[in-house]
This record gives sequence, structure tokens and C-alpha cells, in this order.
Amino acid sequence: GQQVMQIPQYQHVQEGEDFTTYCNSSTTLSNIQWYKQRPGGHPVFLIQLVKSGEVKKQKRLTFQFGEAKKNSSLHITATQTTDVGTYFCAGNFGNEKLTFGTGTRLTIIP
Amino acid sequence: DAGITQSPRHKVTETGTPVTLRCHQTENHRYMYWYRQDPGHGLRLIHYSYGVKDTDKGEVSDGYSVSRSKTEDFLLTLESATSSQTSVYFCATGQLTNTGELFFGEGSRLTVL
Repeated sequence: GQQVMQIPQYQHVQEGEDFTTYCNSSTTLSNIQWYKQRPGGHPVFLIQLVKSGEVKKQKRLTFQFGEAKKNSSLHITATQTTDVGTYFCAGNFGNEKLTFGTGTRLTIIP
Repeated sequence: DAGITQSPRHKVTETGTPVTLRCHQTENHRYMYWYRQDPGHGLRLIHYSYGVKDTDKGEVSDGYSVSRSKTEDFLLTLESATSSQTSVYFCATGQLTNTGELFFGEGSRLTVL
């Protein structure tokens, strides 16, 4: 079946350090989305990547979509306590459904 | 945030009892989804709807049924709850081929004893 794998499952970083989470799909994606879920909250949309090799930035967050449209990454530069939460990638295989990765839970050590 | 309301927000029930979770949206989105979230599994799609009375199964649909009699309401029913259905359930709405993003409700935490 169509799966989206995400690593690592957990990441603990010192405040100010960088953070990266990776997603990999078993098959080519139509597009990929990223969501953030704060502790006790619900997932909130961050961004969508559509084009092969696309790179998008939102302040300290950099999102990349692989050339083969099978992998993606989210990189946070100089983490802050407000970055705490679980980050999910979600792959779209060309239909009206999203397949979510298992998420990476980011904790920040002050 | 989009106008998505889930009810109840918390429920404790016993094995074998029926449970219905409700999702109500005010955004007039065509598509509605039910996901469950469990540690180590992320968000898994249970069922989704692409219009009134039009529904389809997701990857973990066994033991669940859904109904959509109005655009704004999407019901998830556990006919006979089991302990393995203890989870946090999220409703989402959106039109992926249009705006691209999904909007999530606040979640319903279900505990089956």
C-alpha cells in the first residue's frame, strides 16, 4: 500500500540548536504537506510542496521536496521553545486523501 | 481556524457499547475525514466523505461506520466499542485539490474500558 515513513520519532535538542525531520514515500507523491501539532492540540497546516526539488522557507523553517517527489524534509534553524510539538508530513498520492507520517516529536531543552 | 466542532470532546465507555462521534463544519467543505491518532502510528484515516451520502473507507475502517446526511455533519459510529478503539479521534475538512490544506477539529478523546 501507499505509505509515508517519517524519522526520527523523537528529537530532543538544546534551545538554539537545529532540528530536521525526514519523510520518505514508497511511491511518487503528487504533493506533500507539513503539519504541526502542539501538545494537547490538533494538527495545523504549515505548508504544501508540489514541484520536484521545491524549497520553501517560513522564517526559521525550511521545507524541501525531493527531485523524485518521494521524500521531503523540514529543517528548523536555531530552535526556540515555541517550536515544541509534533511535526507531521502528509503525502498526497493524487487523490482526495492524505497519508500521514508517524510524526516527529520535538522537545526543547532550555 | 475553520469552523469545525467535534462532540463529545471526551468520552469514557465500556466494551460492547455503541458510540457516536459528531463532526460539524461551517465551511461548506465538500470533503470530510475521520482520523484516529495513536502513539507511534501518527494519524490514520478511518473513513472519509466526498459529499452527502457519499463515503469511502480509509486504511483502518474495520469496526467503524460513518454517515453524512448533511454537508455540515459527519458522524463516526463504533457499533460495539472495543478497548483497541481507545484513541483520540480527529475530524478534518478541506478540498485538497483546491486550497490544499486540511482543517482539523479539536479532537475527541475516547476511552473504552
